Amino acid sequence: DAMVIQNPRYQVTQFGKPVTLSCSQTLNHNVMYWYQQKSSQAPKLLFHYYDKDFNNEADTPDNFQSRRPNTSFCFLDIRSPGLGDAAMYLCATSRLGLAGPSSYNEQFFGPGTRLTVL
Amino acid sequence: DAKTTQPTSMDCAEGRAANLPCNHSTISGNEYVYWYRQIHSQGPQYIIHGLKNNETNEMASLIITEDRKSSTLILPHATLRDTAVYYCIVRVQGAQKLVFGQGTRLTINP
Repeated sequence: DAMVIQNPRYQVTQFGKPVTLSCSQTLNHNVMYWYQQKSSQAPKLLFHYYDKDFNNEADTPDNFQSRRPNTSFCFLDIRSPGLGDAAMYLCATSRLGLAGPSSYNEQFFGPGTRLTVL
Repeated sequence: DAKTTQPTSMDCAEGRAANLPCNHSTISGNEYVYWYRQIHSQGPQYIIHGLKNNETNEMASLIITEDRKSSTLILPHATLRDTAVYYCIVRVQGAQKLVFGQGTRLTINP
């Protein structure tokens, strides 16, 4: 089945130690998103790639970076994790700007990676 | 994107219809109403969306008022697996971003 895969599901890192979360998709979607979701809060968009174009949200800290080496993969890099960065990180994909049924605009989410910072 | 207002929480008995309201009084003419849900410890899942006509799919029905200022998501026969946070989102179709509000925490009781 086509899907959005996030590895690992659980990640533990130390304060200040760089960490990378990964996302892959078999949907061949042209847009990939990273969201941060803290406990009991709604998902908050950090940034997204529309094809190779990177779009950063204005309030995303510089500590968060992203890479998209190809259509299928996207990475979230946290350069110096702080205690406040402990959260669930969600990857999503969508198919935009292409002909097809309107439901193609929906976003497909992965299961998330829960990050713990010690 | 227009803001939405949803009740913080709701309860529903298993087997009954769950009706989740959403107010979006500032919706623009080209904005659609989308519904997603998030089951505990999972990523959000698309449910349904509509512009002005009522919509139905295998998961739910969406009723949009004639003035489009509010809508209701209907789960016709709620099961325990429908317990989740339900997000009502208003956006222009084809917009790149989703902006999540706080959603409604729906609990289905046995």
